[in-house]
Amino acid sequence: TQLLEQSPQFLSIQEGENLTVYCNSSSVFSSLQWYRQEPGEGPVLLVTVVTGGEVKKLKRLTFQFGDARKDSSLHITAAQPGDTGLYLCAGVFQGGKLIFGQGTELSVKP
Amino acid sequence: DAGVTQSPTHLIKTRGQQVTLRCSPKSGHDTVSWYQQALGQGPQFIFQYYEEEERQRGNFPDRFSGHQFPNYSSELNVNALLLGDSALYLCASSSRLQGSDTGELFFGEGSRLTVL
Repeated sequence: TQLLEQSPQFLSIQEGENLTVYCNSSSVFSSLQWYRQEPGEGPVLLVTVVTGGEVKKLKRLTFQFGDARKDSSLHITAAQPGDTGLYLCAGVFQGGKLIFGQGTELSVKP
Repeated sequence: DAGVTQSPTHLIKTRGQQVTLRCSPKSGHDTVSWYQQALGQGPQFIFQYYEEEERQRGNFPDRFSGHQFPNYSSELNVNALLLGDSALYLCASSSRLQGSDTGELFFGEGSRLTVL
């Protein structure tokens, strides 16, 4: 059973375009994290959101946690080729166990 | 300051064999978690070790076992390998002092296991 659904699974866009990735669940999480993974490497944490309705910004990336703490979104403004990678959302359960979504493979073409 | 290191980086086994993967956590971290990432999927939680004991376990059969040593390093053992065990095995470390619910996990680069 996939607790976290990410959409879209694949996204191919041109440099300069904006995009949004969604992460939805029927479960409530104590917090939710977003990771970025490049080929041959492990995931790297981008952000942790904790409070319902919380919005965090990391340069051109904007992360939002839903009011009910069940869903989240990642918005990238003016995407660049360096943003290419696998974006993963992960719900954090008590004790630090992470449940990952299946990931969104982003390709930004110059 | 070394991050999380895993070994080996790649290995090939045949069905029925056994494999041991190793992980050294980031300096100052005391908790190690293992994840399995199949091709095109997100990582799946296998288990977590703290104070040399398994603290949490995901939905994996008993063929998957682990160990944590006094220096916080860890091993993942998989017995009776199946073709479906082919995956990237990721080790992640964290510190209990940070708080387990919001603390940052640091991942290693993974061990790529291929079962033929």
